Amino acid sequence: DAGITQSPRYKITETGRQVTLMCHQTWSHSYMFWYRQDLGHGLRLIYYSAAADITDKGEVPDGYVVSRSKTENFPLTLESATRSQTSVYFCASGGPWGTQYFGPGTRLLVL
Amino acid sequence: KNEVEQSPQNLTAQEGEFITINCSYSVGISALHWLQQHPGGGIVSLFMLSSGKKKHGRLIATINIQEKHSSLHITASHPRDSAVYICAVRPWGGGSQGNLIFGKGTKLSVKP
Repeated sequence: DAGITQSPRYKITETGRQVTLMCHQTWSHSYMFWYRQDLGHGLRLIYYSAAADITDKGEVPDGYVVSRSKTENFPLTLESATRSQTSVYFCASGGPWGTQYFGPGTRLLVL
Repeated sequence: KNEVEQSPQNLTAQEGEFITINCSYSVGISALHWLQQHPGGGIVSLFMLSSGKKKHGRLIATINIQEKHSSLHITASHPRDSAVYICAVRPWGGGSQGNLIFGKGTKLSVKP
């Protein structure tokens, strides 16, 4: 089905472990985004990508790594998870100036 | 410093009431978005506007670029409108294309 999906939807991990959150979209949107959502904050941009092999930092990139070898996929890796990275992570896709379409989110708990 | 401020933070209404949620921003923008986040967590885009007014069903969004202010109105509110409504702006120039700055959201609860 067309759309944007994230996996896993829920993840519990321990500090220091590497975690990868997956995002896949079927619209061939050029732009993809990773956000985190925490209580007391609005959505904050972690990284975004304008096209395959083009990525750039957002507001809160520290501790995260992204790649985009294919237009449809935009994985987010926490290289060594910390408790402060406990959050809800949203992936989104869209054009550079238009509407962004959000995935269902991944709830990550770092113990 | 919050570049996007929403008010109120929380809003409780009775079914059928007319609801207004406000968004003020401090930067020059090319567009403003209104998003809805359901209690289950999913986020959907309601409107994108750069001037004037847009209407979709019972929802109306307005923007005043000179005053750096936007409002989201819900007419004849219903319990299914209960959600968090998020305002986001796309600043002019600088920064990176596609970047949005988000408000913290307004939590709306509509009682039957």
